Amino acid sequence: KAGVTQTPRYLIKTRGQQVTLSCSPISGHRSVSWYQQTPGQGLQFLFEYFSETQRNKGNFPGRFSGRQFSNSRSEMNVSTLELGDSALYLCASSLVSYNSPLHFGNGTRLTVT
Amino acid sequence: GENVEQHPSTLSVQEGDSAVIKCTYSDSASNYFPWYKQELGKRPQLIIDIRSNVGEKKDQRIAVTLNKTAKHFSLHITETQPEDSAVYFCAASGDSGYALNFGKGTSLLVTP
Repeated sequence: KAGVTQTPRYLIKTRGQQVTLSCSPISGHRSVSWYQQTPGQGLQFLFEYFSETQRNKGNFPGRFSGRQFSNSRSEMNVSTLELGDSALYLCASSLVSYNSPLHFGNGTRLTVT
Repeated sequence: GENVEQHPSTLSVQEGDSAVIKCTYSDSASNYFPWYKQELGKRPQLIIDIRSNVGEKKDQRIAVTLNKTAKHFSLHITETQPEDSAVYFCAASGDSGYALNFGKGTSLLVTP
């Protein structure tokens, strides 16, 4: 069974630009979560989607948004990029999401210059 | 919101020794506690998890203990090997159950 796939692996953007990251969950997994990983803050929860509905959102500004499609694939978007948005963005999928093991992708490394 | 504290931030042990990583959480509603291992440049991978109705769980050289009264849980690795070197993250389920709150990680180094 294929794992969680994230594209692209690396991105370099300039301040003020916007970016879209993509995530394809494990087949059959309907829940997709996004986390931001930085050296100082560890993994921080961004949002979680199930059946195209956002069920929970972390403490991030409105510049961070996401969506989920009917095939469970998910995208996250960051608008008006800031230097502090440089991080590894991890997507994770799970079967049912509530108190379930998360299966992470390899992440997208975003660098904002 | 939920706050998960993890200690120590770095841990160095000799091969064959045991390693213990401790986490505390603040939300008494948390009832799911996974541990993830992240090797350099790789994705976090689940190594063991425990739910609030269980006090201890073991899988070969790895064990996790949970004390709900004290709101802390620990990872125990016995007979450590160099391939155990990685960053380990503890996590606790948030109040909604749909998100995990992670500790900031413990960098474990096992020296031969």
